[in-house]
Amino acid sequence: DTGVSQDPRHKITKRGQNVTFRCDPISEHNRLYWYRQTLGQGPEFLTYFQNEAQLEKSRLLSDRFSAERPKGSFSTLEIQRTEQGDSAMYLCASSLVTSGQADTQYFGPGTRLTVL
Amino acid sequence: AQSVAQPEDQVNVAEGNPLTVKCTYSVSGNPYLFWYVQYPNRGLQFLLKYITGDNLVKGSYGFEAEFNKSQTSFHLKKPSALVSDSALYFCAVRDRGQNFVFGPGTRLSVLP
Repeated sequence: DTGVSQDPRHKITKRGQNVTFRCDPISEHNRLYWYRQTLGQGPEFLTYFQNEAQLEKSRLLSDRFSAERPKGSFSTLEIQRTEQGDSAMYLCASSLVTSGQADTQYFGPGTRLTVL
Repeated sequence: AQSVAQPEDQVNVAEGNPLTVKCTYSVSGNPYLFWYVQYPNRGLQFLLKYITGDNLVKGSYGFEAEFNKSQTSFHLKKPSALVSDSALYFCAVRDRGQNFVFGPGTRLSVLP
């Protein structure tokens, strides 16, 4: 399968613990996005990378959240000192951006985080 | 700021009947518009997009959408619904920047 993959698919943690999620995009895609989705809502944009550069961060992304894409391939999203309000599905998407074209984002299956 | 509205939380339609899932948007400038579908425990799947050109866009699985600039709408349609079309549908908009905004979703139930 050459789609977007995310690991783990499910994570249960206790409040105050740190968690890290990984996203592997489609191999030739240069752009990578992170979203958060809560029950009954559409995905909310968190941040995106163009190659290894983090170009935009939502104000939803508090100081406890950090994302990296060190080599312009896979990305990690870390949440420090988790809170119950962080419980959500975290979605990763990737796209190929070429000059003058609007990119189509392709989504991974998501990581469901439950904070107890 | 850009926004997307999907006025119906739930749409029910009988199998074989035409379906419409509504979407209206607000964005400065010309929009890029997308429809995605989400099945249980799976990620979002791309259905179709409007960038420019013909107002009627055809996509995957027999779906199509009509862009109406004067009504700022991008309704998703299918001539004949299948039970397997039952899922959660999301409309999304992007302006000339890079930020995607998704609507709250519409749950489609196709009844046999």
